[in-house]
Amino acid sequence: DTAVSQTPKYLVTQMGNDKSIKCEQNLGHDTMYWYKQDSKKFLKIMFSYNNKELIINETVPNRFSPKSPDKAHLNLHINSLELGDSAVYFCASSRATGTVRSYGYTFGSGTRLTVV
Amino acid sequence: SQQGEEDPQALSIQEGENATMNCSYKTSINNLQWYRQNSGRGLVHLILIRSNEREKHSGRLRVTLDTSKKSSSLLITASRAADTASYFCATVQTGANNLFFGTGTRLTVIP
Repeated sequence: DTAVSQTPKYLVTQMGNDKSIKCEQNLGHDTMYWYKQDSKKFLKIMFSYNNKELIINETVPNRFSPKSPDKAHLNLHINSLELGDSAVYFCASSRATGTVRSYGYTFGSGTRLTVV
Repeated sequence: SQQGEEDPQALSIQEGENATMNCSYKTSINNLQWYRQNSGRGLVHLILIRSNEREKHSGRLRVTLDTSKKSSSLLITASRAADTASYFCATVQTGANNLFFGTGTRLTVIP
């Protein structure tokens, strides 16, 4: 069983469209994250949720809206897609907020978003 | 910026050789972690070293941490073609609860 699974793996869409990426973890972790990896491989945190509550919201355009229906799921909805949104988006989870001081994150395999 | 920087950006070695990657960071940290990313895949956690530790081993991996220089190194001994991947360091700042990643080193091990 995949520990952190993201769907879709690839997403090609036109500018202006709205799209969602889904993430699910079966590890029983309390905290989930969205990271964006740009073309230079730089990973930047976007959001973090702990047990369905938003705890980190980095400087991300309002067009990006995370939603966590329960602690095992964290979805990312993007409105009015722009060319600059093209990137690989990674979902990750950790046991709980604060446990990153003792344990690492578990990452999904990523969603490659291409906006044309 | 909280981002770490890694050196070199790319490294190419022959199978069986050792590979050393370095990471520098800017702030006081709680711990530093190393991750591996194979092409087209997510990141895999390799090892975590706390700020009060100087060296840690895991299999063929050896990590050192020098908090006075704000730097860490990852040594992979007896490299294999399967070690070909990008390697990232990530730091947890003191008092913070999330990871900030470095820029990564692309390692190629030639069979």
